[in-house]
Amino acid sequence: DAGVTQSPTHLIKTRGQQVTLRCSPKSGHDTVSWYQQALGQGPQFIFQYYEEEERQRGNFPDRFSGHQFPNYSSELNVNALLLGDSALYLCASSTRVDQPQHFGDGTRLSIL
Amino acid sequence: QKEVEQNSGPLSVPEGAIASLNCTYSDRGSQSFFWYRQYSGKSPELIMSIYSNGDKEDGRFTAQLNKASQYVSLLIRDSQPSDSATYLCAVNPGANNLFFGTGTRLTVIP
Repeated sequence: DAGVTQSPTHLIKTRGQQVTLRCSPKSGHDTVSWYQQALGQGPQFIFQYYEEEERQRGNFPDRFSGHQFPNYSSELNVNALLLGDSALYLCASSTRVDQPQHFGDGTRLSIL
Repeated sequence: QKEVEQNSGPLSVPEGAIASLNCTYSDRGSQSFFWYRQYSGKSPELIMSIYSNGDKEDGRFTAQLNKASQYVSLLIRDSQPSDSATYLCAVNPGANNLFFGTGTRLTVIP
């Protein structure tokens, strides 16, 4: 039973570029949430997708956007990258009932 | 603003001792609470969930919740060096998204 899988593992970009991160949820999960974790901080909620729609959004600018596909997998897109976007990006999946979220291994994004 | 605060670390305990980690939250309507363990360079791993007032035990771990005081804690008995990690408190305010504290770094000294 595969857990949450994310790709790529690491990514290096330069300022102003765009990036797409991918996530496949744990089997049986239909809700995907994305988090940004800066060094030494706890994860910060970016947004959540369910039934292919963005259901909730944290305090992140419109440069951060996402998508969920019919198979429940999801993408996180970040445009016009800034140095401050360097972080570990975590995907978590869950069911819609009040169940715990399970995290993937994350994508470490470095902006030069 | 939904805030989650954890006791400042780092926390060091000798092997075999009890480690006590504390967390307070601001959203009184929060319904579910979680503790995650995060090893350096790794992603958070769920170790405990608690939904009602009182204690919940799982092996060496005990989570305690007091909704009236807006307080949740994690006790680790018989601490082992492998327990050395950052422990993150997470609160679900009801919409199935999580608000995290900044974490408490625990070191268990052999």
